[in-house]
Amino acid sequence: EIVLTQSPATLSLSPGERAALSCRASQSVSTYLAWYQQKPGQAPRLLIYDASNRATGVPARFSGSGSGTDFTLTISSLEPEDFAIYYCQQRSNWPRTFGQGTKLEIK
Amino acid sequence: EMQLVESGGGLVQPGGSLRLSCAASGFTFRDYSMNWVRQAPGKGLEWVASMSYDSKYIYYPDSVRGRFTTSRDNAKNSLYLQMDSLRADDTAVYYCTKSLAADRDCFDPWGRGTLVIVSS
Repeated sequence: EIVLTQSPATLSLSPGERAALSCRASQSVSTYLAWYQQKPGQAPRLLIYDASNRATGVPARFSGSGSGTDFTLTISSLEPEDFAIYYCQQRSNWPRTFGQGTKLEIK
Repeated sequence: EMQLVESGGGLVQPGGSLRLSCAASGFTFRDYSMNWVRQAPGKGLEWVASMSYDSKYIYYPDSVRGRFTTSRDNAKNSLYLQMDSLRADDTAVYYCTKSLAADRDCFDPWGRGTLVIVSS
């Protein structure tokens, strides 16, 4: 099973700042990595697929990068609605696995 | 607009069974793989099952294999999850999700989820 480790567990930033969230895989997943955003009481929402492709309707301030074992989700300038929990997920191997999440909170 | 609506959750005793349903609309259901993902209260996301568009390929993690069975009815635009031998650690919100594309097994969109509580 591929283990995805996200860091940091919690990130405290202010609106307007840049956020960088990390996801590290226990073995290579090529570029088969996705990022999701989840707000309290809501279902997750796909943001990025295949490491760097924005899903439909996702603002351009969200970008993804990386390949192999190291990936980054970057939010260029935080908006108030961006404070949420973010999960990465790999589709390289079965079972599909998620990271444990990074909580992005307002500083 | 693509929409997924889960139903069938509730309170069940340990060892019991429950069947979840997911009604899909706004896309050609028969063309897409479908999936279940769950989230225990206050915890992260766990993939539970995936089924190909034609029901030919079905996958489960070890945590539910042999206890959970997913199925679909393409004529009814519906996905199902039969859960047997339920345990307390199966307590979670269960989400129905669509695979993004035929060759892209990430999850978009998601339903709002249905809560399953396993407790005596």
